[in-house]
Amino acid sequence: KQEVTQIPAALSVPEGENLVLNCSFTDSAIYNLQWFRQDPGKGLTSLLLIQSSQREQTSGRLNASLDKSSGRSTLYIAASQPGDSATYLCAIKTGANNLFFGTGTRLTVIP
Amino acid sequence: NAGVTQTPKFQVLKTGQSMTLQCAQDMNHEYMSWYRQDPGMGLRLIHYSVGAGITDQGEVPNGYNVSRSTTEDFPLRLLSAAPSQTSVYFCASSYGGTSYEQYFGPGTRLTVT
Repeated sequence: KQEVTQIPAALSVPEGENLVLNCSFTDSAIYNLQWFRQDPGKGLTSLLLIQSSQREQTSGRLNASLDKSSGRSTLYIAASQPGDSATYLCAIKTGANNLFFGTGTRLTVIP
Repeated sequence: NAGVTQTPKFQVLKTGQSMTLQCAQDMNHEYMSWYRQDPGMGLRLIHYSVGAGITDQGEVPNGYNVSRSTTEDFPLRLLSAAPSQTSVYFCASSYGGTSYEQYFGPGTRLTVT
C-alpha cells in the first residue's frame, strides 16, 4: 500500500520568505501527483498536477517537482504572503480512481 | 459551472440513524469518489465510481453504500450510523483515465452521537 508522508507537519515563516514543502512516497509506480490547498473548514483546491513522466510544473509563485526514483516531491512557494496560510496536501494517484493522501503541512505566513 | 456540490454542510445523527450525503457535479465527469478526512490521518477513499451504474469499494467501505444512476449524482448512504463515522466527508470528481486532476466538493461535517 502506498504511504505518503509530509514533513514538517507545521511551518511558520515571515512574509516574503521563499519556502519548500516536502512530500515523500513509498511506491514509485504512480500515475501522477497532485498538490492541494485546504483552508480551515473548507474543501480542497487543486494547485498543481504533475504526471509521472514530468519533472516539474509551475503556476504563478508555485513550483512543484517530482522525483519518482527517490519517491519525493517538493512544493516551492516564492515570496510567501499571509494569504498563503493554509494546509497543503499532496496526493498520489496509483490506480484508476484512488488518491493516497499525506496528512498535510500547515503553513502560517506571518505578516 | 457550480463544480462539485455537496449537501448538507453539517449534520448531527444519533447512533443507529441512517442518512444520505448528496454529491453532484456539472462537469460531465465520469469518475466520482467519496473520501473521509479524520484528524491526524490523510483523506481515505470510501467508494468510487467510474461511470453510471458502476461502483467499487475503496480503502474504508464498511458501513457505507453508494449507487450511481446518473453521471451527475453520487450519493453516499450511511445505513446505521456509528460514532466511528464522525468525520468530514468529501466528494470528488474527474474525467476518466489516470491523467486528470480531481476536483473536490466543500465537504460535509458529520457528527454521530
